[in-house]
Amino acid sequence: AQRVTQPEKLLSVFKGAPVELKCNYSYSGSPELFWYVQYSRQRLQLLLRHISRESIKGFTADLNKGETSFHLKKPFAQEEDSAMYYCALSEGITGGGNKLTFGTGTQLKVEL
Amino acid sequence: DAGVIQSPRHEVTEMGQEVTLRCKPISGHDYLFWYRQTMMRGLELLIYFNNNVPIDDSGMPEDRFSAKMPNASFSTLKIQPSEPRDSAVYFCASSGLAGGRIGELFFGEGSRLTVL
Repeated sequence: AQRVTQPEKLLSVFKGAPVELKCNYSYSGSPELFWYVQYSRQRLQLLLRHISRESIKGFTADLNKGETSFHLKKPFAQEEDSAMYYCALSEGITGGGNKLTFGTGTQLKVEL
Repeated sequence: DAGVIQSPRHEVTEMGQEVTLRCKPISGHDYLFWYRQTMMRGLELLIYFNNNVPIDDSGMPEDRFSAKMPNASFSTLKIQPSEPRDSAVYFCASSGLAGGRIGELFFGEGSRLTVL
């Protein structure tokens, strides 16, 4: 069965410091991986997808199949990055659906 | 579009009572998901629908939980009877080919349930 592990419940960094939120997965097929973010008092929303190789709000994530990891990185943390971050794996559904398995989340706190 | 709409936002009830949570997906989306969020287990998928038909309910914890989607614009998640361990935030999400990035799930604001 698929599984997503986020080892840190809380990550605290100073403004301007690099950020790395860890995510490891186990899945027998070819995974599709995502990062979702929930800012305070806002809805859970998609941040980025590995398949797009995109950079959103300065964040990037590289899929490492050898290490089965999909860590989220940003070179310089900003105060507005403080939020709850969830790594998610998709089993893939035909059409517009994605059945996602989420990790337990990491609360990022950026301190001044 | 107001996005996915959930009600109630907060519900406090006593053990043994019936609880009904409601969800209106984004118009045009053909997938609807119910998730439960707890501190210990994070976000767990309970059930999902495609074109109003339940596809996978393997995440529903037990027979006390049931979900329906009578039409494309409405779904309910019912707990009867409720127990304190059901206390959690319940999220509804929808997705479809119309709008957003492929496979993107759009979440509601959640319904926070407290069972005393």
